[in-house]
Amino acid sequence: NAGVTQTPKFRVLKTGQSMTLLCAQDMNHEYMYWYRQDPGMGLRLIHYSVGEGTTAKGEVPDGYNVSRLKKQNFLLGLESAAPSQTSVYFCASSYSTGVPSYEQYFGPGTRLTVT
Amino acid sequence: DAKTTQPPSMDCAEGRAANLPCNHSTISGNEYVYWYRQIHSQGPQYIIHGLKNNETNEMASLIITEDRKSSTLILPHATLRDTAVYYCIVRGPNFGNEKLTFGTGTRLTIIP
Repeated sequence: NAGVTQTPKFRVLKTGQSMTLLCAQDMNHEYMYWYRQDPGMGLRLIHYSVGEGTTAKGEVPDGYNVSRLKKQNFLLGLESAAPSQTSVYFCASSYSTGVPSYEQYFGPGTRLTVT
Repeated sequence: DAKTTQPPSMDCAEGRAANLPCNHSTISGNEYVYWYRQIHSQGPQYIIHGLKNNETNEMASLIITEDRKSSTLILPHATLRDTAVYYCIVRGPNFGNEKLTFGTGTRLTIIP
């Protein structure tokens, strides 16, 4: 089991460029999430998905789009990158949000710099 | 979800028990306490969770006070690899409430 993987690990963009971050999980999880973490801060939820073909906004969704065409993949898109989107992006997945088995599994992160 | 308060940093000697406190005075009756940790900018790692009773697993123990307004994560024999930021999170069981609210956590440093 690879768990949760993220591609790429690092990326530098110029302002206005676009890119897509890929998250893949091999645990057959229904739920997937995208977070961002700025220096010295905790993680903030950008978007999430409760199943294939569904997406929903999290805490800080502006400037991002997502798609979940396959259960195992969750894509995060930046259409026009801005310096404020410089951050570390983490993807996570879970079986469901019901307790007591609720636990999110996180990927290693993508470090994005927008100049 | 209830807010949590944690000390910004703590030190602990290697081999000793590390006790990390968390205050959650506004916790509701159906909200769980979760602990995650983040080692050096890696993705967060789940440690343990509990509702009322004390919990123990292979990584740690979780002690929740009787009034549930605070809890303590215990790493029984801390090693250098336990140096990390530890997050205490309170979350209800409601479907549709998908957010894990990460605060700034406690930066635990294990001293050799």
